Amino acid sequence: NAGVTQTPKFQVLKTGQSMTLQCAQDMNHNSMYWYRQDPGMGLRLIYYSASEGTTDKGEVPNGYNVSRLNKREFSLRLESAAPSQTSVYFCASDTLGGEAFFGQGTRLTVV
Amino acid sequence: QKEVEQNSGPLSVPEGAIASLNCTYSDRGSQSFFWYRQYSGKSPELIMFIYSNGDKEDGRFTAQLNKASQYVSLLIRDSQPSDSATYLCAVGGSNYQLIWGAGTKLIIKP
Repeated sequence: NAGVTQTPKFQVLKTGQSMTLQCAQDMNHNSMYWYRQDPGMGLRLIYYSASEGTTDKGEVPNGYNVSRLNKREFSLRLESAAPSQTSVYFCASDTLGGEAFFGQGTRLTVV
Repeated sequence: QKEVEQNSGPLSVPEGAIASLNCTYSDRGSQSFFWYRQYSGKSPELIMFIYSNGDKEDGRFTAQLNKASQYVSLLIRDSQPSDSATYLCAVGGSNYQLIWGAGTKLIIKP
């Protein structure tokens, strides 16, 4: 049982480069989320998808785009990376109101 | 702005003692309350959840909820060095979206 699988685990980008973070869950959850975690600031919601075919902005969406490809997959794209996007990114999924399961995280550094 | 507040710590507790972690929230409409544990460099994992006022016990862990005071706590009895981690409080509103606290770093000293 893989749970939530997130790739890559580490990435270094130059300012202005683009990349896509991939996330897939095998728990048949409707809701999926992308968070970033910075020291001392907890988890901040970037985008979420309450169900297949829908996406909504969270607290810090600027500079990011998402795609809910199907029920299993939810990707996060950085079109033009900036140093301020250096962070640890977590994908998560849950049933509405239930336990959230997290991927292993992506440590992104933008230089 | 809905907020969840936690003392960042670190909270240092001797092995075998009770660790008490606290969390306050601003949204009176909050419906669900979660405690997650996060080891350094790892992803958060659920420890406890509570929906109703009062206490909920699971092994060495007890979650306490007081909706009138907008306060939720986590007690860890017989603290072990393996309990050393950051504990995140998450609160779900009427739309079940989770708002996260910044976490409390707990250190259990042998």
